[in-house]
Amino acid sequence: GAGVSQSPSNKVTEKGKDVELRCDPISGHTALYWYRQRLGQGLEFLIYFQGNSAPDKSGLPSDRFSAERTGESVSTLTIQRTQQEDSAVYLCASSTPFNKETQYFGPGTRLLVL
Amino acid sequence: AQSVTQLDSHVSVSEGTPVLLRCNYSSSYSPSLFWYVQHPNKGLQLLLKYTSAATLVKGINGFEAEFKKSETSFHLTKPSAHMSDAAEYFCVVILSGAGSYQLTFGKGTKLSVIP
Repeated sequence: GAGVSQSPSNKVTEKGKDVELRCDPISGHTALYWYRQRLGQGLEFLIYFQGNSAPDKSGLPSDRFSAERTGESVSTLTIQRTQQEDSAVYLCASSTPFNKETQYFGPGTRLLVL
Repeated sequence: AQSVTQLDSHVSVSEGTPVLLRCNYSSSYSPSLFWYVQHPNKGLQLLLKYTSAATLVKGINGFEAEFKKSETSFHLTKPSAHMSDAAEYFCVVILSGAGSYQLTFGKGTKLSVIP
């Protein structure tokens, strides 16, 4: 079956603009995760959804970052008023609710803020 | 609080020689531990996981890792490196329980394999 997909695969934007990144998890995976991977740094956990609710938003770096999920499926990560330090690869992963340790990752969205 | 330390940012081995990628963790409770691999321009792929069963865990592509609680380590090994093993490897600690979920990635170790 299909894996986790993300779009766009690449995004270039100007500083101050808003961007939306999309994640389509594996069908039936009710748990969904967003991560950020900045150049030369490790992966940062951003947010976790169980169904449509986000019990853990502690990783969001600022109030410019928000995420939502509808229909226990697609999720959107929105970054408002982008800054150059937001440039990174944004990764989405999904898992079943009973095996949250085994996450399946999408290919990522490469965001470049000029 | 928990943390993950990957002791080497870059490891270089010759093809056919053993691979050792080191990972130490700290956690207040018994965590689950994972190794992920990321090939260039590809997504993350799960190599293996430890979830309190056998301490020696076998993964894909001939990799294995041993959980040593006394040393708080979860080092990744492979007896003989192959060119296709060149990638970046991430050690991950997950602590989950009722109403909580905490995941921490190490900074990654880039493995180079010399022909």
